[in-house]
Amino acid sequence: GQQLNQSPQSMFIQEGEDVSMNCTSSSIFNTWLWYKQDPGEGPVLLIALYKAGELTSNGRLTAQFGITRKDSFLNISASIPSDVGIYFCAGQKGGADGLTFGKGTHLIIQP
Amino acid sequence: GAGVSQSPSNKVTEKGKDVELRCDPISGHTALYWYRQSLGQGLEFLIYFQGNSAPDKSGLPSDRFSAERTGGSVSTLTIQRTQQEDSAVYLCASSFLPGSEAFFGQGTRLTVV
Repeated sequence: GQQLNQSPQSMFIQEGEDVSMNCTSSSIFNTWLWYKQDPGEGPVLLIALYKAGELTSNGRLTAQFGITRKDSFLNISASIPSDVGIYFCAGQKGGADGLTFGKGTHLIIQP
Repeated sequence: GAGVSQSPSNKVTEKGKDVELRCDPISGHTALYWYRQSLGQGLEFLIYFQGNSAPDKSGLPSDRFSAERTGGSVSTLTIQRTQQEDSAVYLCASSFLPGSEAFFGQGTRLTVV
């Protein structure tokens, strides 16, 4: 049940701003996943990364699998009100290991 | 069903009673996870199943918590002698393989009064 180091814990931004958050670990991971959770819902998968150095986009979202395999970041461009929520990173070391989650980044968009 | 299904969606129970929470994973998914989430907080890992085995049950908070999985499918999380601090949302997730994308259910909101 080890957790990843996810930062920042929370972000207060203006609509239209770009957002960046990241996760780091002292261990190497083979898989990095990014999730978003809306209030009252379960987390929903945004982006999955399986290869070191991989850069993947999903609309305004871009995520990268760090070349060292010990980190990943998620960027959101031109934020909109519906981007509000909690964003979680998750990693898997390999083999039969389960997923390890970060503690989440709370994104709050100020009008 | 198409997604991970959890039941009940809400449960209010009296302190000291036992509760059972159920998770129906996506058909064919071998890995199954249970997490607990307090209001506005992160995901607290409870237990992970690969098939019917639990290689990692390090997150279970106390011996009042137990979980099982049968037939490589449905899982039940049991909390005995519930306490008020057990109140939280309990989330279940499943994935086809341990390292593949995990999909979450809507969660069970447990309130111990």
